[in-house]
Amino acid sequence: DTGVSQDPRHKITKRGQNVTFRCDPISEHNRLYWYRQTLGQGPEFLTYFQNEAQLEKSRLLSDRFSAERPKGSFSTLEIQRTEQGDSAMYLCASSSQGQGINEQFFGPGTRLTVL
Amino acid sequence: AQKVTQAQTEISVVEKEDVTLDCVYETRDTTYYLFWYKQPPSGELVFLIRRNSFDEQNEISGRYSWNFQKSTSSFNFTITASQVVDSAVYFCALDTGRRALTFGSGTRLQVQP
Repeated sequence: DTGVSQDPRHKITKRGQNVTFRCDPISEHNRLYWYRQTLGQGPEFLTYFQNEAQLEKSRLLSDRFSAERPKGSFSTLEIQRTEQGDSAMYLCASSSQGQGINEQFFGPGTRLTVL
Repeated sequence: AQKVTQAQTEISVVEKEDVTLDCVYETRDTTYYLFWYKQPPSGELVFLIRRNSFDEQNEISGRYSWNFQKSTSSFNFTITASQVVDSAVYFCALDTGRRALTFGSGTRLQVQP
C-alpha cells in the first residue's frame, strides 16, 4: 500500500497524559499537513511541512502541541497534558510540489479520546 | 479571510435519484483552487476533483458532475442516479495558495436502497 499511513488508528488516554501520533506520507511527497476534525465539522488546518521545515502553524496549535518531521520523511504530532477538548480525529495529508496544485492525499486518521 | 459554506447538513435520497450538494465560498484572492472530497464511514478523505479559479468549465466524470460559477461563488456537485455506495460525508474545500485547505462543514448524504 503506497498511501498515507497513520499510527495508531485509535488512542484513548486520560486527561493530563501525553500522546504522540505518527504519519508516514506517500513516498516522494515533500509536503505534509496535519488537520484536526471534530464531530460534525470539516477538517481544520493545524500545521504544514515542506521537507523538514515547518512553514506554517495555525493558531489552533497551542503550545501543548508540537510537530516534527525529521529528515523530511515521517512526521510526529505530540500533544502534552491532554485535555478533553483535544478529543478529535487527527488527519495527516501529503502532497507533491510538482504534482498539481496542492492535491492533498489524506491518511485514515488517528481518533483520540481523552477521558 | 476565506470561508466555505455547505448549508445542507444532511440529505437523504432514494437510490437512482439525482442529488446536488451545494458549496459557496468566500475569498478576496483572484487565484484559488476548489476541491471536493468524500469521507465514507471508514473515515479516510478521498479526493474527487480540483478546479482552479480561471477554469469555469463544468466537468463530468461518470455519474459525477461539477458546476463552477464565479459570479455566485459556488461550486456545486451533482451525483446522477445515486447509489447506496455514494453514502458518505462530502466536503468542499478552498485553497488560496496558503497551502492549508479551508473546508466546509460537510454534507452527509444518505442513499436509501
